[in-house]
Amino acid sequence: DAKTTQPPSMDCAEGRAANLPCNHSTISGNEYVYWYRQIHSQGPQYIIHGLKNNETNEMASLIITEDRKSSTLILPHATLRDTAVYYCIVGGSGSARQLTFGSGTQLTVLP
Amino acid sequence: GAVVSQHPSRVICKSGTSVKIECRSLDFQATTMFWYRQFPKQSLMLMATSNEGSKATYEQGVEKDKFLINHASLTLSTLTVTSAHPEDSSFYICSARDRPATNEKLFFGSGTQLSVL
Repeated sequence: DAKTTQPPSMDCAEGRAANLPCNHSTISGNEYVYWYRQIHSQGPQYIIHGLKNNETNEMASLIITEDRKSSTLILPHATLRDTAVYYCIVGGSGSARQLTFGSGTQLTVLP
Repeated sequence: GAVVSQHPSRVICKSGTSVKIECRSLDFQATTMFWYRQFPKQSLMLMATSNEGSKATYEQGVEKDKFLINHASLTLSTLTVTSAHPEDSSFYICSARDRPATNEKLFFGSGTQLSVL
C-alpha cells in the first residue's frame, strides 16, 4: 500500500472549515484514498473515501488532485467534537485488504 | 451503517493470566476481520488477519502462540492474549468489512484497553 504524509498537528477555530492535507505521491491506479478519525480511547471512525472524483457526504468533503498525488479532507464547520487524530490511508480493493495507518494529524478545534 | 461490536471495553488482569477479546459484526457477515494494537500516542499497528474457517495470518514480529485468533463464524472473531505480561498492555482494536466487498469502508470496534499488572 502507498505511504501517506500528513502534518502532525493542526488547529482550527470552532465554526470554521478545517482543511486537512495528505500527500500520497506513490499511489497506484487502483488504490483508494480513505479518511478515518480517532477520538481518544475509541476505535477509528470512517469519514469518507474516494478514487478519483471529489466526494461529499454528511460529515466531510474529499478533494483529490487530478494527478491523485494528494488530497484534502474538508470539515466545513468544525465543532469541538471534531477534535481527533485524522488518518489518511491509501489502499487497494477487496474484503481481505487491510488498511495501514500512518501517524495521522492531530486536529484541535479551538473555542 | 454496519456495526462492529468489541467486548470487553476494558480489562485489568494479573501477569500470567489469559484474556479473551471478542469482536462481532452485528448486521453483516465478515469472512475477514483484522486485529490492530495501539500503544499510547502511537498509530494503529496491524497484528493479524483473521479468516473465517482457516488459520489467521500474522504480521511479522507478532507471536502467533501468544496471540491466539479464532474466527469460527462469519460474525465472530476472538483474540486471546495468553500468559499476558505488562508489556502486552495496550489498546486492541478489531475491524471488518461488509460482504461482498470491493472498496468498501472498514468498520472498527470500539477497542479494548488491556492493562496487565
